Amino acid sequence: EPEVTQTPSHQVTQMGQEVILRCVPISNHLYFYWYRQILGQKVEFLVSFYNNEISEKSEIFDDQFSVERPDGSNFTLKIRSTKLEDSAMYFCASRSVGLAFGTQYFGPGTRLTVL
Amino acid sequence: GNSVTQMEGPVTLSEEAFLTINCTYTATGYPSLFWYVQYPGEGLQLLLKATKADDKGSNKGFEATYRKETTSFHLEKGSVQVSDSAVYFCALGPNNNDMRFGAGTRLTVKP
Repeated sequence: EPEVTQTPSHQVTQMGQEVILRCVPISNHLYFYWYRQILGQKVEFLVSFYNNEISEKSEIFDDQFSVERPDGSNFTLKIRSTKLEDSAMYFCASRSVGLAFGTQYFGPGTRLTVL
Repeated sequence: GNSVTQMEGPVTLSEEAFLTINCTYTATGYPSLFWYVQYPGEGLQLLLKATKADDKGSNKGFEATYRKETTSFHLEKGSVQVSDSAVYFCALGPNNNDMRFGAGTRLTVKP
């Protein structure tokens, strides 16, 4: 069964550094998402992406965040200057249209630790 | 706006006990409702879903019925196993794009 993959599984970085989290969505999916989960807290929506542009973003997704689909398979989340409070699990998700409309399939997550 | 309220945990049960995790929602329109499960150290996995009122989603012995009159989507399982120990998230969406998650309920099943 196709699945969403994410790399790396764990990223440790120093405060102020830039990080890029990578995702490979399911190949025929058209909508892509990033969510984060601070340890012990709820999963929060960050951004959605369709047709090579951001379609919606939350208040969390400020100017230090950006997303990109650099090629036909990858979907990345960049955090320009990490802060301690960016430490969280980051989940990528994707969905298609048609029969599976509404179901987002999640990757295993990248745990980001900012020191 | 759209939101989900989920019963707080943690929930601790003995093996073969009956499980209910309550979930209620607030939404405009006609959202789809989901339960996701997160096993220790892993990501979110779709457990079941329902796309319209009175639909029942089911998977691996878990069930949830989309009740519009009570705006609820409670998760139930008749006989839990140790392997069901995980965090369970109720979720709603997407009406527009983003999925709204509940706070999660940690379930521990003891042998």
